[in-house]
Amino acid sequence: DAKTTQPPSMDCAEGRAANLPCNHSTISGNEYVYWYRQIHSQGPQYIIHGLKNNETNEMASLIITEDRKSSTLILPHATLRDTAVYYCIARGGGGADGLTFGKGTHLIIQP
Amino acid sequence: DARVTQTPRHKVTEMGQEVTMRCQPILGHNTVFWYRQTMMQGLELLAYFRNRAPLDDSGMPKDRFSAEMPDATLATLKIQPSEPRDSAVYFCASGSSGHGLAKNIQYFGAGTRLSVL
Repeated sequence: DAKTTQPPSMDCAEGRAANLPCNHSTISGNEYVYWYRQIHSQGPQYIIHGLKNNETNEMASLIITEDRKSSTLILPHATLRDTAVYYCIARGGGGADGLTFGKGTHLIIQP
Repeated sequence: DARVTQTPRHKVTEMGQEVTMRCQPILGHNTVFWYRQTMMQGLELLAYFRNRAPLDDSGMPKDRFSAEMPDATLATLKIQPSEPRDSAVYFCASGSSGHGLAKNIQYFGAGTRLSVL
């Protein structure tokens, strides 16, 4: 897995867009970028993933730079329930293998 | 709403006792993972199975931990004998390894919180 680097913590005001950055400068061509989050006392939850193109689903948007060395997870209208630890993981798509979780970013949504 | 089910949710036991944690993966998923989470180490992969066959258990202490899949609907993680340092939250996750898909979408259970006194 490519190493990923995330800020340890971030704040965001409720109702605003939360933009969570992730650096993965050593990512290889076949590695996807996955985002998971873990709300306190719950299991991790899959959010979104992408390879090259930007992606959007009902939870979030994922913007991947053209050189694929970094990405940004965007929660368009953050709510208090989005307070969680967010994990960025770079992983090959060649087989379902165990995930390597770093320390992630603790996102705190402020009322 | 399909989900991974883990039992028990909480377990308190004494050092030296056997502990068995159970996981029911999402129906149709062929890959099952066991993770452990502590404050110090974060989330760590212990072992995983594909089509019920163990693929990797290198993250698991071999002398006291064992993981099995008796059938496609049940995965177990056993600790014998348990020690205080095993206190952690143990998560099970399941997923599919379908051809052509981005395969690392895993669905996690709510976890078993284990306390070994």
